[in-house]
Amino acid sequence: GEDVEQSLFLSVREGDSSVINCTYTDSSSTYLYWYKQEPGAGLQLLTYIFSNMDMKQDQRLTVLLNKKDKHLSLRIADTQTGDSAIYFCAESMRGTGRRALTFGSGTRLQVQP
Amino acid sequence: GAGVSQSPSNKVTEKGKDVELRCDPISGHTALYWYRQRLGQGLEFLIYFQGNSAPDKSGLPSDRFSAERTGESVSTLTIQRTQQEDSAVYLCASNPVESTSYNEQFFGPGTRLTVL
Repeated sequence: GEDVEQSLFLSVREGDSSVINCTYTDSSSTYLYWYKQEPGAGLQLLTYIFSNMDMKQDQRLTVLLNKKDKHLSLRIADTQTGDSAIYFCAESMRGTGRRALTFGSGTRLQVQP
Repeated sequence: GAGVSQSPSNKVTEKGKDVELRCDPISGHTALYWYRQRLGQGLEFLIYFQGNSAPDKSGLPSDRFSAERTGESVSTLTIQRTQQEDSAVYLCASNPVESTSYNEQFFGPGTRLTVL
């Protein structure tokens, strides 16, 4: 079955880099995603990576994918207080035709001024 | 344009009562998803609607849960005889599933359900 795991909490100082890690089990995942959830708001897609890629960079965000180890990471450069939120890793389900996503439990990022 | 909207934003009910949660997807989005997010946890898939196809109900936790969708518009999630363990935020998402590329889902703000 599919399972996505993340560490629960990360605290960094403003201006530092943040690295949020995720492991997944479904080797047939096509896409892997990072969503951001701010207090009282719905989830917002931050970025995604196709499974045949190793890295994707988008402004301050860098996604690294290690397919062999089924490990995904999100690096946020120059972290700002506005980056404080919960970050969810997600993968596409395969095999059933269902397009729902499997989410990790989320990593709460706290940015200290 | 308008995003996904959900109502009510908060719902407090007594154990044993029925509740109905509503989702208005983005206009033109043929796919609609319901997820449940318990406190401090990730999202659990509940049900998926795609156009006129039979819905994928494989995530519904019990027969107390049901959902309907009228065509490609509004969806309602009904929970009968609510239990305290049903307390959670219920999130709705939609997307234009015709795209075969990445599956970006657009989420509503959720309905926070509290069962006393």
